Amino acid sequence: GAGVSQTPSNKVTEKGKYVELRCDPISGHTALYWYRQSLGQGPEFLIYFQGTGAADDSGLPNDRFFAVRPEGSVSTLKIQRTERGDSAVYLCASSPTGSTGELFFGEGSRLTVL
Amino acid sequence: AQSVAQPEDQVNVAEGNPLTVKCTYSVSGNPYLFWYVQYPNRGLQFLLKYITGDNLVKGSYGFEAEFNKSQTSFHLKKPSALVSDSALYFCAVRDGSNDYKLSFGAGTTVTVRA
Repeated sequence: GAGVSQTPSNKVTEKGKYVELRCDPISGHTALYWYRQSLGQGPEFLIYFQGTGAADDSGLPNDRFFAVRPEGSVSTLKIQRTERGDSAVYLCASSPTGSTGELFFGEGSRLTVL
Repeated sequence: AQSVAQPEDQVNVAEGNPLTVKCTYSVSGNPYLFWYVQYPNRGLQFLLKYITGDNLVKGSYGFEAEFNKSQTSFHLKKPSALVSDSALYFCAVRDGSNDYKLSFGAGTTVTVRA
């Protein structure tokens, strides 16, 4: 597709369950980012991939959160033992390598933990 | 460390009047500055950026922003606001010494009344 695609758009789960959120970046973009946006706040950095490797995962809140990008394209954000505080919109973005330019964002995956 | 402050949670203007959304930033290196807009149930959309050069940058939908190094500000402006400009606006900054991490402000909700 032309833009960044995220699935599912909405996910409702119960506390303690496991969740996977998928991101399909713009074709040819080697840089991929995950952000989290809570209600009334700006996007908060979680993790950055350059190719297949996580170049910076300093924003992941704890070890329940993990992300992969095994072939350097699609990425999956994985959340174990979900908690109500994990409820937020999870945003994925991509950009060409080495650009000084902007990030291209998907529409996000809204996660609700009951 | 890098950060952005958007001092106003909300800005209300009448259609046809000038619109200003304020942003100040803090970075240790050269600032790369961005403005994004978010419409309801949509992803973040890029408006404009400052990397280097002319302090006044022009972007999409008639928006412009002025970089002021001494005041560490990057205010977003539009000479004549439209009802359709009503949205959530985010300022973001990246330290030019790294090539990836974009930090966002908390956002400003703009309401343009007819």
